[in-house]
Amino acid sequence: GNSVTQMEGPVTLSEEAFLTINCTYTATGYPSLFWYVQYPGEGLQLLLKATKADDKGSNKGFEATYRKETTSFHLEKGSVQVSDSAVYFCALGNFNKFYFGSGTKLNVKP
Amino acid sequence: NAGVTQTPKFQVLKTGQSMTLQCAQDMNHEYMSWYRQDPGMGLRLIHYSVGAGITDQGEVPNGYNVSRSTTEDFPLRLLSAAPSQTSVYFCASSQSGSVDGYEQYFGPGTRLTVT
Repeated sequence: GNSVTQMEGPVTLSEEAFLTINCTYTATGYPSLFWYVQYPGEGLQLLLKATKADDKGSNKGFEATYRKETTSFHLEKGSVQVSDSAVYFCALGNFNKFYFGSGTKLNVKP
Repeated sequence: NAGVTQTPKFQVLKTGQSMTLQCAQDMNHEYMSWYRQDPGMGLRLIHYSVGAGITDQGEVPNGYNVSRSTTEDFPLRLLSAAPSQTSVYFCASSQSGSVDGYEQYFGPGTRLTVT
């Protein structure tokens, strides 16, 4: 079947620290992979995506590489800001269905 | 464009009551979907539609009905509300009938409490 597992939070970092949020998946076929971000009281917004193996998605300083050999799509950012504080969801899209991880809350302290 | 809109924003129901959560999009998207978000469980797909007149079940369809008579609207009906349906509900739409590689646009959510 299809499923997504991501690291539990919360993750607390100081401003300008390096961020990694781990995400692994299981899937049939050739899924697309996504990272979404949710700010308090809002819906989800697409952060980045990758549609095939070895693709790198990037946006706003965040990056993630679609690794088929390790079934992973880890989110990274070199220097986080207070404004990056939010909940981050890894997701998989396959055959008209989306599967989300449980979310990782990121707190960035000034 | 208003994007994806959902009404109401908040709702309290008693067990056994029925109601409809409304979702509309003005982007002419083919694909629309409903999710529920529960603490520690991420979002789970309830139902989805790849076009007007076509709907299908997601991971957690029991207790919910949908229909898609127009491209713009995709209402979610709770037939007989139960406390287990207390959750935040999100509607989303996507450009293509296939979600692969296409961004889903999410509405602001409806917070439902069933007592």
